Amino acid sequence: EVQLVESGGGLVQPGGSLKLSCAASGFTFSGSGMHWVRQASGKGLEWVGRIKSKVNNYAIAYIASVEGRFTVSRDDSKNTAYLQMNSLKIEDTAVYYCVALVAATGQLYWGQGTLVTVSS
Amino acid sequence: DIVMTQSPDSLAASLGERATINCKSSQSVLYSPNNKNYLAWYQQKPGQPPKLLIYWASTRESGVPDRFSGSGSGTDFTLTISSLQAEDVAVYYCHHYYTTPITFGQGTRLEIK
Repeated sequence: EVQLVESGGGLVQPGGSLKLSCAASGFTFSGSGMHWVRQASGKGLEWVGRIKSKVNNYAIAYIASVEGRFTVSRDDSKNTAYLQMNSLKIEDTAVYYCVALVAATGQLYWGQGTLVTVSS
Repeated sequence: DIVMTQSPDSLAASLGERATINCKSSQSVLYSPNNKNYLAWYQQKPGQPPKLLIYWASTRESGVPDRFSGSGSGTDFTLTISSLQAEDVAVYYCHHYYTTPITFGQGTRLEIK
């Protein structure tokens, strides 16, 4: 059974930091691109960033609004992806989902999400 | 960036009726080397994460009822629910994964008439 379990969300003040983790199981993590998508309350889905697999040189990309503040990473030995979020802004408040894109099959697996609230 | 536009924004249909949601991309999401359209459809119910219905534009995810189908190629795509059930009330999203940034449609709210 495929599972993606996010953790690390919580309440943080503007300017603060959080590190989200995404623990994966049930599929070939090392062969998958790992993405982060967020959704503010009552809003649509917004892609945040991704890190590709080793065979794709761990290529990284972000949306412009988080460039320089957020960092995606992965540890294939632990089947875990991370999203380090610094200099958080109120507008970063959202549920953050990790998403695995299995390149070989085109399937996309989603976690249950973790809530990040940026507020003073 | 590729812009994804869904239509309509909301849709009300009767139980047993066919429901159709459209998704248009501002540029082609067909990857010629493998002839795959990098387009997915999701269903999202309140308080739940998005549920994958369709990937590669027309491949139904395992366990998804066969009343859900996806079609289209290039820039124009359609999600069809052949016979609407009460449990299909949700918001539906399309997105491309052809390149970065990945972008989503604005969502279509489906209700029962």
